[in-house]
Amino acid sequence: SQTIHQWPATLVQPVGSPLSLECTVEGTSNPNLYWYRQAAGRGLQLLFYSVGIGQISSEVPQNLSASRPQDRQFILSSKKLLLSDSGFYLCAWRPDWGSYGYTFGSGTRLTVV
Amino acid sequence: LAKTTQPISMDSYEGQEVNITCSHNNIATNDYITWYQQFPSQGPRFIIQGYKTKVTNEVASLFIPADRKSSTLSLPRVSLSDTAVYYCLVGGDSGGYQKVTFGTGTKLQVIP
Repeated sequence: SQTIHQWPATLVQPVGSPLSLECTVEGTSNPNLYWYRQAAGRGLQLLFYSVGIGQISSEVPQNLSASRPQDRQFILSSKKLLLSDSGFYLCAWRPDWGSYGYTFGSGTRLTVV
Repeated sequence: LAKTTQPISMDSYEGQEVNITCSHNNIATNDYITWYQQFPSQGPRFIIQGYKTKVTNEVASLFIPADRKSSTLSLPRVSLSDTAVYYCLVGGDSGGYQKVTFGTGTKLQVIP
């Protein structure tokens, strides 16, 4: 069966520090991968999506970047965090075919102080 | 991508049936309708998906009228543990990939 792993679960970082959040998927190949962010009490905002290794599409211009160095690995990064980067970050995957639903990771609660 | 509109919040007593309606007037021919449930500090969880008419699984039913411009998620006999945010998504398989932005969802509060 397919599983998605996301870490860390919580993170407190000072303003100006770098960020690296990692997401890995097991049990499938060539998944479509996504990074979402959710501000407190808000819906999910799509940040990046990837349909293959090295292929990244950005939805929102911002202080963040994403990379996909391996087929089942998706990384969210920042060189210098801003206070506004605080939020709940979620990684998700879905098969590259069919209309199946998304499967989400457990999320990372990021607080920038 | 079809835009969706849902009520911001709903309250229901335990044991009642809850119906949450989602409007999606510009749904495309190959779009599916999918509902997710999200608890605080967790990722959304897939509940049910449908294309037309009625779909039922062990946790919910999804009713889709013939024109497919709306859909209704039905939760039978809700319990306190059903308190969550419910998202309606509409989208199709665009040649192998799909990007979707979730709306603000419907916050369901189940009252004892």
